[in-house]
Amino acid sequence: GENVEQHPSTLSVQEGDSAVIKCTYSDSASNYFPWYKQELGKGSQLIIDIRSNVGEKKDQRIAVTLNKTAKHFSLHITETQPEDSAVYFCAANSGNTPLVFGKGTRLSVIA
Amino acid sequence: KAGVTQTPRYLIKTRGQQVTLSCSPISGHRSVSWYQQTPGQGLQFLFEYFSETQRNKGNFPGRFSGRQFSNSRSEMNVSTLELGDSALYLCASSPGGGSTQPQHFGDGTRLSIL
Repeated sequence: GENVEQHPSTLSVQEGDSAVIKCTYSDSASNYFPWYKQELGKGSQLIIDIRSNVGEKKDQRIAVTLNKTAKHFSLHITETQPEDSAVYFCAANSGNTPLVFGKGTRLSVIA
Repeated sequence: KAGVTQTPRYLIKTRGQQVTLSCSPISGHRSVSWYQQTPGQGLQFLFEYFSETQRNKGNFPGRFSGRQFSNSRSEMNVSTLELGDSALYLCASSPGGGSTQPQHFGDGTRLSIL
């Protein structure tokens, strides 16, 4: 089955700097890669997703890149703000298989 | 459009008891998935229901069960509770038709076993 590894587990950045979180997956059949943000006491909010037919997707300060050959995908947050502080999860799946999540990255943006 | 609603938000039970958690998906969504989130294991998939049928099942013991009603609302039941069942239980809904559609999560039910 699919296995998703996520790094780093914790990340601290200064406000205004960029943050990058990386994930690798094992199943070459995976074709859908969402990223979720979880704030304290809340469920996970979908912030961006990418499918295997594209290599990069942007939404304002957030971007995701996908390298199918290397089986890794990354989340990039530019101009970080304190409200970006949260736990971020990557995930992967294909067809009718369940989403498999990484273990999460706790991002702290220091003002 | 209302989001995914999970009830109750918090629950305290003792070992050996059973518990039922409820999830109301986004209107029009036909797929509901359940996950268990713990600090050590992250988000682990329990099961998915689509049109009242279980479509996928994770690697959890038979004490964990679920069902989905004709209005797409779903319930999850855990019997003979163990200390290790303490976790945040999340449900997510999607339009259905395939798992590679965006899933939208509720805020979860935090279950504590004493």
